[in-house]
Amino acid sequence: QSALTQPRSVSGSPGQSVTISCTGTSSDVGGYNTVSWYQQHPGKVPKVMICDVNKRPSGVPDRFSGSKSGNTASLTISGLQAEDEADYYCFSYAGGPWVFGGGTTLTVL
Amino acid sequence: EVQLVESGGGLVQPGGSLRLSCAASGFTFSDYWMTWVRQAPGKGLEWVAKVNGGGRDIDYGDSVRGRFTASRDNAQKSVYLQMNSLRAEDTAVYYCVRLDCSGGSCYMDYWGQGTLVTVSS
Repeated sequence: QSALTQPRSVSGSPGQSVTISCTGTSSDVGGYNTVSWYQQHPGKVPKVMICDVNKRPSGVPDRFSGSKSGNTASLTISGLQAEDEADYYCFSYAGGPWVFGGGTTLTVL
Repeated sequence: EVQLVESGGGLVQPGGSLRLSCAASGFTFSDYWMTWVRQAPGKGLEWVAKVNGGGRDIDYGDSVRGRFTASRDNAQKSVYLQMNSLRAEDTAVYYCVRLDCSGGSCYMDYWGQGTLVTVSS
């Protein structure tokens, strides 16, 4: 299992939109609709933001959305807010094992 | 209220063993897959192992397969991670995490606070 590929960092100004990509293969991201996204603030436990590629669990703002095309999943955060500054990880089923992305640090300028 | 409480972490020498435990409460434990996730200091999340509700379907990450053994005891509402032949690169916070697979696919919905494992001489 190789880690899914995410950009190391992204940034945006308050109110803007940013998209974080998560690239895998047909054996993980491309093969299953099981991509989820997690937000982790420093010193905190991760929190699920998106499940099943594009579903928002209860309590997650609708500013967060997910999508997938081929072997690449994406997390889009619109109307950026200061509290969105955090690390984000994608996670996918890989046909038995599971695999995380390497993580992306979002900076709100 | 769902609670997951890990224990068993600590300092161990390279080549040594450690057994982590995770006590669950607040939900029907046997209905859920459980997973272990670790995070080395300053690094990203790494999936370690998964155990299905019945305890017979278990998978491991490549970096721990053959050295770690995951198991569960539904009567005790606990999941375990036996870690053998520990290496410095196993140093991390280990999280016990519940997998919600009710919607056809799975995602991690509840996390414990983690237990730190340090492998050093």
